[in-house]
Amino acid sequence: QVQLQESDPGLVKPSQTLSLTCTVSGGSINSNGYFWSWIRQPAGKGLEWIGRFSPSGGTNYNPSLRSRVTISVDTSKNQFSLRLSSVTAADTAVYYCARESVGFFVDGSGNYDFFDFWGQGTLVTVSS
Amino acid sequence: DIQMTQSPSSLSASVGDRVTISCRASQSISSYLNWYQQKPGKAPKLLIYATSRLQSGVPSRFSGSASGTDFTLTISSLQPEDFATYYCQQSYSPRVTFGGGAKVEIK
Repeated sequence: QVQLQESDPGLVKPSQTLSLTCTVSGGSINSNGYFWSWIRQPAGKGLEWIGRFSPSGGTNYNPSLRSRVTISVDTSKNQFSLRLSSVTAADTAVYYCARESVGFFVDGSGNYDFFDFWGQGTLVTVSS
Repeated sequence: DIQMTQSPSSLSASVGDRVTISCRASQSISSYLNWYQQKPGKAPKLLIYATSRLQSGVPSRFSGSASGTDFTLTISSLQPEDFATYYCQQSYSPRVTFGGGAKVEIK
């Protein structure tokens, strides 16, 4: 069973850089058929996809955050990381890492792409 | 970005009720529509993927369907553990987007 665990940065000051790491266990981050994403959720609000790492294809980012986001990977530790620069109070949220399973149905009926495993989430508060 | 609009944003229902939640995409997304259930303080849980395929371990009272750009999640007989918030998500575009959520509350 795949498990994901976010690190816990807690409090980050405005204008600083938020750094999070997701440790993956029960499977390799280099395995084919999987991407690795960051998703966030402000308190009482909906889900916002931040970006993903693909072992075969690099990174994709949400255009609304692209100028401030970097996702990187450390395959030796089976981890991937998020850096979000110049944070403000609007970046206060629960941050989740998630595995995105992608592929083709064997019956030829099409493709699939969904988030099947999630970390428990970590609350990041931006405040001075 | 592809916009996903869910309705209603909240509803009250009783145990045993049939519940339907809608999700409309701003453009065609083929069958690239997934549904998640989220309980307070927990990460979302995948229920339905590719419009209508039930994730392993999810009870059969959950089902999904589509008509064009309109997608529906149906709970055939609401159980106490189903009171939660439900999100749709499109994966047609590399820029994944979620609906705003539908909270199912106890009547």
